[in-house]
Amino acid sequence: GESVGLHLPTLSVQEGDNSIINCAYSNSASDYFIWYKQESGKGPQFIIDIRSNMDKRQGQRVTVLLNKTVKHLSLQIAATQPGDSAVYFCAEGQGAQKLVFGQGTRLTINP
Amino acid sequence: EPEVTQTPSHQVTQMGQEVILRCVPISNHLYFYWYRQILGQKVEFLVSFYNNEISEKSEIFDDQFSVERPDGSNFTLKIRSTKLEDSAMYFCASSELPSGELFFGEGSRLTVL
Repeated sequence: GESVGLHLPTLSVQEGDNSIINCAYSNSASDYFIWYKQESGKGPQFIIDIRSNMDKRQGQRVTVLLNKTVKHLSLQIAATQPGDSAVYFCAEGQGAQKLVFGQGTRLTINP
Repeated sequence: EPEVTQTPSHQVTQMGQEVILRCVPISNHLYFYWYRQILGQKVEFLVSFYNNEISEKSEIFDDQFSVERPDGSNFTLKIRSTKLEDSAMYFCASSELPSGELFFGEGSRLTVL
C-alpha cells in the first residue's frame, strides 16, 4: 500500500552545521514531493517541493534531493539555526490533491 | 502575507455531539482540504474540495464527516456524533492550483470526552 516513512525519528545537530533529513516512499506513481516543517502547536509550513521530473531543487538554505530509483527523498538544511528546530515531514502525492505524510523527524539544534 | 485561518483553535465536546470546524482559505485559492493529526502521529488526508464538491476523500472520511462551503469565504468540516477517536488536530489547507503549494492553517484542536 502507499506509505511514506522516515529513517530517523530524531536528529540533533550543532548550530551552524548542515543537517540532512531522509525519507523513503513506496508509491512509484507519486509525482510530487514536499517537505513541511511543523513547530509545536502550529500547522505544517511548506519548505520546498520537487516534482518527479527533477532530482534536485534548491531553495534558501534548503535543498531537496529525489532519487526515484530507490524511492528516497532528502532535505538538506545548510548552516542550521535555532529557528530550524521543529518536526520535519515529507509528503508525497500525485499532484497536491491527496498528500501522504511521513511520520516526521524531530530536528534539534544544539547551541 | 495571506494566510489560512481556522476557528475555533480548541474545542472540547462530549462524545456523540456534533462539531463544526471553520476555515477561511486564502481568498484567491480554489482548492480546499482538510487534514487531521492525532497527537503524536502523522498528518492524514481527509478530503479535498473544488468547485463546490468533494474531489477526493480518504477512508477516514466516512458518513460521519461532511464539508461545505456555505458562502464565498468559509469552508467547514462537520463531524456528526463525535467519537473519542475523533480527538485530533484538524488542519485546513488551500491551494491556488491542484498541483500547487498547500498553505495550512494553524489547526483546530478537537478534544472529545
